Amino acid sequence: EAQVTQNPRYLITVTGKKLTVTCSQNMNHEYMSWYRQDPGLGLRQIYYSMNVEVTDKGDVPEGYKVSRKEKRNFPLILESPSPNQTSLYFCASSLGQGPTYEQYFGPGTRLTVT
Amino acid sequence: AQSVTQLDSHVSVSEGTPVLLRCNYSSSYSPSLFWYVQHPNKGLQLLLKYTSAATLVKGINGFEAEFKKSETSFHLTKPSAHMSDAAEYFCVVIPGTYKYIFGTGTRLKVLA
Repeated sequence: EAQVTQNPRYLITVTGKKLTVTCSQNMNHEYMSWYRQDPGLGLRQIYYSMNVEVTDKGDVPEGYKVSRKEKRNFPLILESPSPNQTSLYFCASSLGQGPTYEQYFGPGTRLTVT
Repeated sequence: AQSVTQLDSHVSVSEGTPVLLRCNYSSSYSPSLFWYVQHPNKGLQLLLKYTSAATLVKGINGFEAEFKKSETSFHLTKPSAHMSDAAEYFCVVIPGTYKYIFGTGTRLKVLA
């Protein structure tokens, strides 16, 4: 089954404790992206990747890192999480970038930083 | 600047009555527009998309949307609401930069 998977689905952590949220897709997609969803703000893009070893900042990249060492994986790293990073995070992938290509979304990771 | 505005944060309808979710956009370029749906505790699923072909776009589950350039609108409609339509709906504009710009979402409630 074609899908985007994220782990963990739920995470509660404390300020300053490094964490990684994994994202994997099995569709051989080139384009991958991370979003955060906050009430009343919709989804905002954190980082995206056009292909292996090619990443770029989205609208809200501060406090986050990403890497793309393999085509299928695009982990999101919070080196020193803070309470304002409490949010619902979505990973997405598509064959390419642009309106011709549908983005497929993972199920989401709900992160709470205390 | 490119932006998208969803005019209602919450909409309530009775089962069997029409649904209208409103979306207006601002774009310097001829945009592409999508509607996504998010059911509780699920990821987002594409409902339909407009990419400069027919202005009336049909999607899944009986939804459709009409692109009106003169009104800069892309409203989502369905003739008859079903309980399973209760979800949050996002309008998305993709301007020439190919970046997805999400609206703030409209939560649809369907009353029995």
